[in-house]
Amino acid sequence: DIQMTQSPSTLSASVGDRVTITCRASQSISNWLAWYQQKPGKAPNLLIYKASSLESGVPSKFSGSGSGTEFTLTISSLQPDDFATYYCQQYNSYPVTFGGGTKVEIK
Amino acid sequence: EVQLVESGGGLVQPGGSLRLSCAASRFTFSSYWMTWVRQAPGKGLEWVANIKQDGSEEYYVDSVKGRFTISRDNAKNSLYLQMNSLRAEDTALYYCARVGHLYDVSSYFTNWGQGTLVTVSS
Repeated sequence: DIQMTQSPSTLSASVGDRVTITCRASQSISNWLAWYQQKPGKAPNLLIYKASSLESGVPSKFSGSGSGTEFTLTISSLQPDDFATYYCQQYNSYPVTFGGGTKVEIK
Repeated sequence: EVQLVESGGGLVQPGGSLRLSCAASRFTFSSYWMTWVRQAPGKGLEWVANIKQDGSEEYYVDSVKGRFTISRDNAKNSLYLQMNSLRAEDTALYYCARVGHLYDVSSYFTNWGQGTLVTVSS
């Protein structure tokens, strides 16, 4: 199985900050990577697929990059609505696997 | 807007069974792979199973193989998860989700329901 490792597990940031979350795969997954945002008590919401493709309706302040084994999600200017937990997910091969999550907290 | 509504969760004893349902609407259900993903209380996301548009292919995480069965009824726009031999570690919120975009069957999950809670406890 492909292991997905996110860092950091918790990130403290201020409104207006640019933040970057990293996701590493235990083997190459090409660009078969998605990012999700999850707020407390809510279902996850797809932000990015194929490593860098922005899902329809998602603000352009979210961007993804990377290929192979290392990927990043960047939020260009953190707003109060962005404080949430973010997950990466590989879909290169079964079983589909998620990273452990990065909680973005208010500093 | 795509709508997915799960039901069927509840409290069940270890070794028991439960059948989850997911009612889909506002999209052509038969054109998409579908999935179940679960989240244990306070934990991260875990993919459980995928099923092809016509039900001819199914994939499972190892921890549920032989115990869980994903199925669908395209005439009823419904997805199911039959869960047998339930264990305490199956306790989680179970989400159904639509897989990929039309003509892109890659296994990312575009739309999610709100989940149904399964608690396995004596």
